[in-house]
Amino acid sequence: AQSVSQHNHHVILSEAASLELGCNYSYGGTVNLFWYVQYPGQHLQLLLKYFSGDPLVKGIKGFEAEFIKSKFSFNLRKPSVQWSDTAEYFCAVKWSNFGNEKLTFGTGTRLTIIP
Amino acid sequence: NAGVTQTPKFRVLKTGQSMTLLCAQDMNHEYMYWYRQDPGMGLRLIHYSVGEGTTAKGEVPDGYNVSRLKKQNFLLGLESAAPSQTSVYFCASSSAGTTRETQYFGPGTRLLVL
Repeated sequence: AQSVSQHNHHVILSEAASLELGCNYSYGGTVNLFWYVQYPGQHLQLLLKYFSGDPLVKGIKGFEAEFIKSKFSFNLRKPSVQWSDTAEYFCAVKWSNFGNEKLTFGTGTRLTIIP
Repeated sequence: NAGVTQTPKFRVLKTGQSMTLLCAQDMNHEYMYWYRQDPGMGLRLIHYSVGEGTTAKGEVPDGYNVSRLKKQNFLLGLESAAPSQTSVYFCASSSAGTTRETQYFGPGTRLLVL
């Protein structure tokens, strides 16, 4: 079965620190990649997505992610985090070979920013 | 546009009781989904629908039923609730089943089964 792995379960950073959250997925052909964010008490919102083209994708709120096909990775980055970035972050993948209705989510990474 | 809405926001059930969660979207989306979110497990797909009158099983369908009688609504039913169904339930919709479309999520329903 296809799977998405987020190895960092909880990350704690100070404000202005740089952030990188890992996301790896299992092999399965063509993929579309997403990062969603869930702020405390809110629903999931799309941060950024990759379908094709430039593997470095820029999203909202200063986030970016890089698709590295050879490593099956789509890591999320931000050069300088803010207290308001405290949230849970989910990586998600759609494999076009296996039916394009389904989005498979990673288990999420809880990010806590200390002022 | 309200986007995706869910009712109720919170519910407490006793084991064996039944209930229906309602999801509504006003974006004319073809595809709708029900997920459950549990700590340490991310979101898991329960059922989904690719259009009015159609439904399909997701990753964890047991104990749930769904119906899509109208394009804008997707109902999730629990016939006999169990404590293992305590979770936060999210509905989502997307405009097409192509790989280019993203899903829009509702605010969630928190369900506690005692």
